[in-house]
Amino acid sequence: GQQLNQSPQSMFIQEGEDVSMNCTSSSIFNTWLWYKQDPGEGPVLLIALYKAGELTSNGRLTAQFGITRKDSFLNISASIPSDVGIYFCAGQTGTASKLTFGTGTRLQVTL
Amino acid sequence: GAGVSQSPSNKVTEKGKDVELRCDPISGHTALYWYRQSLGQGLEFLIYFQGNSAPDKSGLPSDRFSAERTGGSVSTLTIQRTQQEDSAVYLCASSLGRDEQFFGPGTRLTVL
Repeated sequence: GQQLNQSPQSMFIQEGEDVSMNCTSSSIFNTWLWYKQDPGEGPVLLIALYKAGELTSNGRLTAQFGITRKDSFLNISASIPSDVGIYFCAGQTGTASKLTFGTGTRLQVTL
Repeated sequence: GAGVSQSPSNKVTEKGKDVELRCDPISGHTALYWYRQSLGQGLEFLIYFQGNSAPDKSGLPSDRFSAERTGGSVSTLTIQRTQQEDSAVYLCASSLGRDEQFFGPGTRLTVL
């Protein structure tokens, strides 16, 4: 099935650094979502974006819904060790419908 | 806990055998989804149930895969004549209508 292009694939950063990752699609989505997955767990929703151009924050996380509706980015400021995990973007064409996921960004934080 | 639960957490089977994976959604959630996550990959949609409507089966990779949802609650994903390429983590999610999808911890399937 289709997967969204997500970059970078992995990143090693030092504690306290800011992180940026993005996701692109050849298709338009009406909703963009960012999830975090810890080992052995299912993904957990971090941020949801519902409107083109929307910029939304959740604590140290900020995400934007691209104007073209074909891309989104996620920023994490002042990273901490518990930010370690795999981050996935996901697009949705309508509410209450399937999610199309990105390929994931594996984040590792060094002290 | 009131989250989505899945069983078994791990399943090892031999090629050619059938397997059943179970999902217990959050009580009252009307929508239920199955996704598959291969090693190092993102999640791939398999099937979606919404209330009494006909399920969206557009993501099922072959006719060896089927799923049912009984009584609008528990769901079972069945894979017949398993192949090695079926090895993956199978994740279930539920939502209350159009709201956020909550994921279970998944079932890790290994086909030898």
